[in-house]
Amino acid sequence: NAGVTQTPKFQVLKTGQSMTLQCAQDMNHEYMSWYRQDPGMGLRLIHYSVGAGITDQGEVPNGYNVSRSTTEDFPLRLLSAAPSQTSVYFCASSYFQGYGYTFGSGTRLTVV
Amino acid sequence: SQQGEEDPQALSIQEGENATMNCSYKTSINNLQWYRQNSGRGLVHLILIRSNEREKHSGRLRVTLDTSKKSSSLLITASRAADTASYFCATDAKAGGTSYGKLTFGQGTILTVHP
Repeated sequence: NAGVTQTPKFQVLKTGQSMTLQCAQDMNHEYMSWYRQDPGMGLRLIHYSVGAGITDQGEVPNGYNVSRSTTEDFPLRLLSAAPSQTSVYFCASSYFQGYGYTFGSGTRLTVV
Repeated sequence: SQQGEEDPQALSIQEGENATMNCSYKTSINNLQWYRQNSGRGLVHLILIRSNEREKHSGRLRVTLDTSKKSSSLLITASRAADTASYFCATDAKAGGTSYGKLTFGQGTILTVHP
């Protein structure tokens, strides 16, 4: 099925561990973004990309890295997990400016 | 800080009534988008309105945009229990006449429609 696939759906990490959240889309979308959603905070932009090889920081980039080596994939790396990174993470993609975004189903991350 | 702010934060209505949600934003935009999120799920794109448009319709949805006031509203007519969800506005900000693919969300309105 066409769409945005996020893995894993759930993850528990210990403080200081690192991990990569995977995001893949099969719609040939140029734009991809990562958001985190915390209660009462709406969605906050972490990093975004307008094409393979091009990434930029969003509102809350500290503690996260991204790369975009292909159009399809946009992984999010947590370098050294902290309890403050406990959140629900959403990946989204869009064809281009002027188009709506398609969201993945999210990854629920808990850092203990 | 987030670009969009939504009002009200929560809205409770009866089935069949209309629901209106408002969004204000701070900077120039290319377009404004509305999304719905059912509890615990990903967001679903509802409608997009470009900066040179003033009103747009899609089924029971009506969106208006006032760029002079930097505000938008989403009207859901004849609401149903299935419309119960959180609704978010999001802005595609303009910088130097171009978009950088940076979509910024408001904090959302929680809509509850009672059967």
